[in-house]
Amino acid sequence: AQSVTQPDIHITVSEGASLELRCNYSYGATPYLFWYVQSPGQGLQLLLKYFSGDTLVQGIKGFEAEFKRSQSSFNLRKPSVHWSDAAEYFCAVGSSSGGSYIPTFGRGTSLIVHP
Amino acid sequence: DADVTQTPRNRITKTGKRIMLECSQTKGHDRMYWYRQDPGLGLRLIYYSFDVKDINKGEISDGYSVSRQAQAKFSLSLESAIPNQTALYFCATSDATPYEQYFGPGTRLTVT
Repeated sequence: AQSVTQPDIHITVSEGASLELRCNYSYGATPYLFWYVQSPGQGLQLLLKYFSGDTLVQGIKGFEAEFKRSQSSFNLRKPSVHWSDAAEYFCAVGSSSGGSYIPTFGRGTSLIVHP
Repeated sequence: DADVTQTPRNRITKTGKRIMLECSQTKGHDRMYWYRQDPGLGLRLIYYSFDVKDINKGEISDGYSVSRQAQAKFSLSLESAIPNQTALYFCATSDATPYEQYFGPGTRLTVT
């Protein structure tokens, strides 16, 4: 069965600093990978996704993520964090086995941004 | 207007009561999902539906039921609410491909 691990429950960074949020997955074949962001009091919004091809994917709001098959990782990065990036971030993995796609979400990482 | 709407946004109910949460979407997607979010546990799948005649249990379906009234509507019911069903509930939709999900704003449910 597929699974997702986000090792960091909370991450605190200063505004303007770089950011990396970790995500490790467990799945036998090439997975579909996603990062979602949840701002306070809101639903989840897709930041970026990886299906195939270039392992470095660009998303919205200046985020990027790199798929590393050898490490089973899909870490999210941003070179310079803004105060508005404070939110909960979720990594998700899904398979396309038999045309059925059931995503599994990680437990989330809460990003705190200090001025 | 929002693509995925949920009603109510907040609800307080008592133990043993029946409650229904509703989800509507205008994205034209066939696939719809219900999740619950608890602090520190992320999102857990309750039920999902790939079309009007297809309903499937998710990871934590016990104590819940669903109804897919139309392509655009997917309702979640708690037949007899209990306090540990207090959570934030999200509805989501997706197309068959490329699979990314679109979420509603959530319903905060409190069972006292």
